[in-house]
Amino acid sequence: AQTVTQSQPEMSVQEAETVTLSCTYDTSENNYYLFWYKQPPSRQMILVIRQEAYKQQNATENRFSVNFQKAAKSFSLKISDSQLGDTAMYFCAFMKLLSDSNYQLIWGAGTKLIIKP
Amino acid sequence: DAGITQSPRHKVTETGTPVTLRCHQTENHRYMYWYRQDPGHGLRLIHYSYGVKDTDKGEVSDGYSVSRSKTEDFLLTLESATSSQTSVYFCAISESMIGIGATQYFGPGTRLLVL
Repeated sequence: AQTVTQSQPEMSVQEAETVTLSCTYDTSENNYYLFWYKQPPSRQMILVIRQEAYKQQNATENRFSVNFQKAAKSFSLKISDSQLGDTAMYFCAFMKLLSDSNYQLIWGAGTKLIIKP
Repeated sequence: DAGITQSPRHKVTETGTPVTLRCHQTENHRYMYWYRQDPGHGLRLIHYSYGVKDTDKGEVSDGYSVSRSKTEDFLLTLESATSSQTSVYFCAISESMIGIGATQYFGPGTRLLVL
């Protein structure tokens, strides 16, 4: 079975601090994609960052970066200089091969991140 | 933001009644998906479509059917709603299923309450 585990149900940090959200996954595939999405109180699912497994360089998007450890099957998200608007649920997702060339996103249960003023 | 709308945004219905949720996109993306979101489960795939009239089941498809008669519209039907189908339903789209084009973009969600 291919699964995605987010071990931190909830985290809170002070504004401007750096926070790291963890994600581990299980797969026997060699090439795949990993994603972080955020879901603010508005409930909109918003793509934060994505990583291709065959790329060794960690993806970055402004204040958001990942620490991708392929051998350890770990894909953590680091948020630098956290802002109040970062308060949201954060979901890690892994792209799984369904059949032929059809893929499916497998989701973790989410981490609730609260940024305190 | 990707042009994805869902209707209705909120619905309350009674057990045993049929319900249809609509997803509409203006991006001309080939792939469309229906998910449900429940506490503690993240998102779970119900059905997906890889083209007009081409659909397939996801991991939680029982009790749901879908149709796609046009590229831009993907309908999710609960033939006879049950209380276990109370959830938030999200539609998503993607250009492809491999590579960067497989990135999925989401609609605003539909909150469904089955009494």
